[in-house]
Amino acid sequence: ETGVTQTPRHLVMGMTNKKSLKCEQHLGHNAMYWYKQSAKKPLELMFVYSLEERVENNSVPSRFSPECPNSSHLFLHLHTLQPEDSALYLCASSRSGSTDTQYFGPGTRLTVL
Amino acid sequence: DQQVKQNSPSLSVQEGRISILNCDYTNSMFDYFLWYKKYPAEGPTFLISISSIKDKNEDGRFTVFLNKSAKHLSLHIVPSQPGDSAVYFCAASARGGATNKLIFGTGTLLAVQP
Repeated sequence: ETGVTQTPRHLVMGMTNKKSLKCEQHLGHNAMYWYKQSAKKPLELMFVYSLEERVENNSVPSRFSPECPNSSHLFLHLHTLQPEDSALYLCASSRSGSTDTQYFGPGTRLTVL
Repeated sequence: DQQVKQNSPSLSVQEGRISILNCDYTNSMFDYFLWYKKYPAEGPTFLISISSIKDKNEDGRFTVFLNKSAKHLSLHIVPSQPGDSAVYFCAASARGGATNKLIFGTGTLLAVQP
């Protein structure tokens, strides 16, 4: 399998649930990103990991918790979300954290009831 | 305040004609610009980029023009094909920092009519 994959593709969860989104990149990249895309809004950067270290946290609420166990995998742990957190969550990767083009996965469509 | 703006939410073009998608930015520190294409139910796909040291970059049917003094860039697609119908996002970054933080526009939906 090539490129950037994300699972699940669709997720419906209640406000009291705990779930995790998974991202895997098969491109040999060293940097990984989480973005949020809400309706009629630009993609918003949430987190950046470079060489497995979190180098940016864009003022994201603590109910979103990222984890990067190695350079190929990135998780986004979700707990006690709100309905306004419903959005498309996109993962991306790049060769380095500072200069290279980012390549995106297909996204997880999250609905919080 | 949005640093990258795509003021046209949609554009309709006839097959074979030129599509011109526009993007404006406000941050003079941006030095790298990208265009992404997004089909429904898929993630954005990288299309073409341009560094601020250039004013034009061409790749097949796609050409990006950068006007630094106007803080404006545009994507030209010639000739347009029905398969080009998608949402096009403009993105910008200030390279050389600790992270490659891309700032995206809201996108323009291009519809190419057969």
